[in-house]
Amino acid sequence: QVQLVESGGGLVKPGGSLRLSCVASGFTFSDYYMSWIRQVPGKGLECVSFITTSGTNINYVDSVKGRFTISRDNAKNSLFLEMNSLRAEDTAVYYCARDQIHFDYWGRGTLVTVSS
Amino acid sequence: QSALTQPPSASGSPGQSVTISCTGTSSDVGGYKYVSWYQQHPGKAPKLMIYEVSKRPSGVPDRFSGSKSGNTASLTVSGLQAEDEADYYCSSYAGSNNLKVFGGGTKLTVL
Repeated sequence: QVQLVESGGGLVKPGGSLRLSCVASGFTFSDYYMSWIRQVPGKGLECVSFITTSGTNINYVDSVKGRFTISRDNAKNSLFLEMNSLRAEDTAVYYCARDQIHFDYWGRGTLVTVSS
Repeated sequence: QSALTQPPSASGSPGQSVTISCTGTSSDVGGYKYVSWYQQHPGKAPKLMIYEVSKRPSGVPDRFSGSKSGNTASLTVSGLQAEDEADYYCSSYAGSNNLKVFGGGTKLTVL
């Protein structure tokens, strides 16, 4: 069965960095686009970043451009989100999701808290 | 990209039907057939319920249906059951940057 498992979240001070990982199983990871989606606790969903199968096409929401970097390692069935210069407003649960224009599989999420 | 507009809440009694709307623009909902709906129970990840406006993934009850007219998409839940109580989010493809846009979410209460 398809599984996506995120890790790497935690408490970080403003201006700090974190690297999120998402390990995929149960499908041919290299065949699928992937996205990171975040949710501020108690609030709605926001697409943060998107990556194509080979990583040649990448997009970011304006609020994270220049600070976040998405990447993938198809040999290790893994998706990453490098987050730098973190701000309080980046506090959220971060989900990785398989992207077929609709998001058919989601991980359980990893909580990122940015606070001094 | 602006968020899609959903009513913050909806409710119905068991067995009744309820419809949740999702209003966008011609640049997202109205411009593409790629509207999807997600159900989210507290503390859980979202679950895909409807994709491409009206298609149901395997395992989703046929009590859930989707439609679209112009810039507004709708999710209808028929024969409401207690387990349908959750937050529902719509989403739409919005163009070449591949970043889908979401609605603000609707909390469905089964009375």
